[in-house]
Amino acid sequence: DAKTTQPTSMDCAEGRAANLPCNHSTISGNEYVYWYRQIHSQGPQYIIHGLKNNETNEMASLIITEDRKSSTLILPHATLRDTAVYYCIVRTKTGNQFYFGTGTSLTVIP
Amino acid sequence: NAGVTQTPKFRILKIGQSMTLQCTQDMNHNYMYWYRQDPGMGLKLIYYSVGAGITDKGEVPNGYNVSRSTTEDFPLRLELAAPSQTSVYFCASSYPSSGNTIYFGEGSWLTVV
Repeated sequence: DAKTTQPTSMDCAEGRAANLPCNHSTISGNEYVYWYRQIHSQGPQYIIHGLKNNETNEMASLIITEDRKSSTLILPHATLRDTAVYYCIVRTKTGNQFYFGTGTSLTVIP
Repeated sequence: NAGVTQTPKFRILKIGQSMTLQCTQDMNHNYMYWYRQDPGMGLKLIYYSVGAGITDKGEVPNGYNVSRSTTEDFPLRLELAAPSQTSVYFCASSYPSSGNTIYFGEGSWLTVV
């Protein structure tokens, strides 16, 4: 599985969009980008995933660059409850190992 | 709507003791995983399984053993507990044909003293 690089921490004002970047320059053609978040020692929670095209669901949007070497998770209107560690993972759809790394600690500020 | 269930939630062990962390899932998922998370750190994969009777090592398998006799259950055994095994342990499962989204249990807090 490809390695990912994320900033260690970020702040975002409540109500503003939170944009969390991830670099995955060694991603393979059949590897997807997955995003999870972990709120204060709970089990990580799935947010979104994508292959090439941008994706949106009720939680977030995922923007993947055309060369697929990086992506951005967007939380359109951050709330205090979005304060969490966000993990970017790349893997195949049938891959049997998930490696999480250290993620980005997002703090939403009132 | 149980999902992934782990027991116990909290446990204190003495050095050298052994114990088993239980994990069961009711989603008929092929893949199951055990992770540990030390304070302020990311998750490290201990062991994983792609189906009943099949297990494999992850990043940090030393000091642990697993078995997968059924699709539902994936217990993690700690032999000769050491202080370095003080951590939060998460069990998880996924199913490839459903996008391989991984579902986590609520965690088991283990302290070795």
